[in-house]
Amino acid sequence: GENVEQHPSTLSVQEGDSAVIKCTYSDSASNYFPWYKQELGKRPQLIIDIRSNVGEKKDQRIAVTLNKTAKHFSLHITETQPEDSAVYFCASLYDKVIFGPGTSLSVIP
Amino acid sequence: EAQVTQNPRYLITVTGKKLTVTCSQNMNHEYMSWYRQDPGLGLRQIYYSMNVEVTDKGDVPEGYKVSRKEKRNFPLILESPSPNQTSLYFCASSLSTWGETQYFGPGTRLLVL
Repeated sequence: GENVEQHPSTLSVQEGDSAVIKCTYSDSASNYFPWYKQELGKRPQLIIDIRSNVGEKKDQRIAVTLNKTAKHFSLHITETQPEDSAVYFCASLYDKVIFGPGTSLSVIP
Repeated sequence: EAQVTQNPRYLITVTGKKLTVTCSQNMNHEYMSWYRQDPGLGLRQIYYSMNVEVTDKGDVPEGYKVSRKEKRNFPLILESPSPNQTSLYFCASSLSTWGETQYFGPGTRLLVL
């Protein structure tokens, strides 16, 4: 079946450094790629998304890039802060939404 | 306030005892979905509904049932729960399925003994 791979599964960075999380999807028909942040004990919340007709999107310290040919998309967080510590999920969507397994990001003060 | 609500938030039950987890949204969303979240596996879709009386299986539908009699409600039913259904469950809704933001409920933590 369709799946989404996500790497790394855990990531530790020093405060102020950048963090990059990469995802690969298998369904070539996917046209929407959201990223969710889930803090401990909380529900997932959308932080940024990108559609298949766009290669890059930025929102302050967060950016997402999409390479449809390679079926890759990535989340970039710059100037990381301790409050960025959470689990991040990528997802791809066509008629169903498929989530990646998640990346646990720790930002060390 | 626009929101997705789930009840109960926590539930401990025994094998075989039927239970229902309710989900309700007040945003007039057409699309609703149930997920289970297990460590290392991320979120896996159980069932989804594109509109009233329209439901379809997600990736892990075995052991679950749903219904969509009204637009705002999408209950998840476990007819005969088993320990492997111990998990954290999230309901979500969106305006439509096609590239729309999904809003998640607060989650229901279920333990089946």
